[in-house]
Amino acid sequence: GAGVSQSPSNKVTEKGKDVELRCDPISGHTALYWYRQSLGQGLEFLIYFQGNSAPDKSGLPSDRFSAERTGGSVSTLTIQRTQQEDSAVYLCASSVYRGGQPQHFGDGTRLSIL
Amino acid sequence: DQQVKQNSPSLSVQEGRISILNCDYTNSMFDYFLWYKKYPAEGPTFLISISSIKDKNEDGRFTVFLNKSAKHLSLHIVPSQPGDSAVYFCAASDGTSYGKLTFGQGTILTVHP
Repeated sequence: GAGVSQSPSNKVTEKGKDVELRCDPISGHTALYWYRQSLGQGLEFLIYFQGNSAPDKSGLPSDRFSAERTGGSVSTLTIQRTQQEDSAVYLCASSVYRGGQPQHFGDGTRLSIL
Repeated sequence: DQQVKQNSPSLSVQEGRISILNCDYTNSMFDYFLWYKKYPAEGPTFLISISSIKDKNEDGRFTVFLNKSAKHLSLHIVPSQPGDSAVYFCAASDGTSYGKLTFGQGTILTVHP
């Protein structure tokens, strides 16, 4: 497809389980961002990738969160030992180059921790 | 520390009238501002942007105004249409942070027929 694709669209899991969220950016976009939106809040930056490297991980809330990007394309956000406060919509965005705007967003993964 | 604030959680407007959504920021390093529109269960969609070297940018029914001295920007929608009903987010970036966006909390716009 032409847009940013995220999977799964919804994920329900039990507290303490690990989850993986996937993002497939727009073809040719070198910059990739992860954000999350908690209930009633704005979007909060998590991590930025340029190619396969992550020069800015400053938004990751704890060491339970990690992300990688391979082949300069698909990215995976992993949350280990999930907690209820991890419940949120996780959004991925891509842009043509570093710092390029606008960023184009996927529809997100709604994560619910029971 | 909320660097981008949208102080109105909601706004209700009659179809055909003007909608004005407001946004304030505190970080003087921000040099690029964007408005996104979001429908339920969808990702944000880019609407319009403005660089800090300008004070106005227009695209069809949408105009964004930037007042740097007041650290304030606004989005005007004229005329408003029922299909404009959505959550609107203001976002900002600075040239030193790889383009990452700082978002406001959003304003729910409802346009009544």
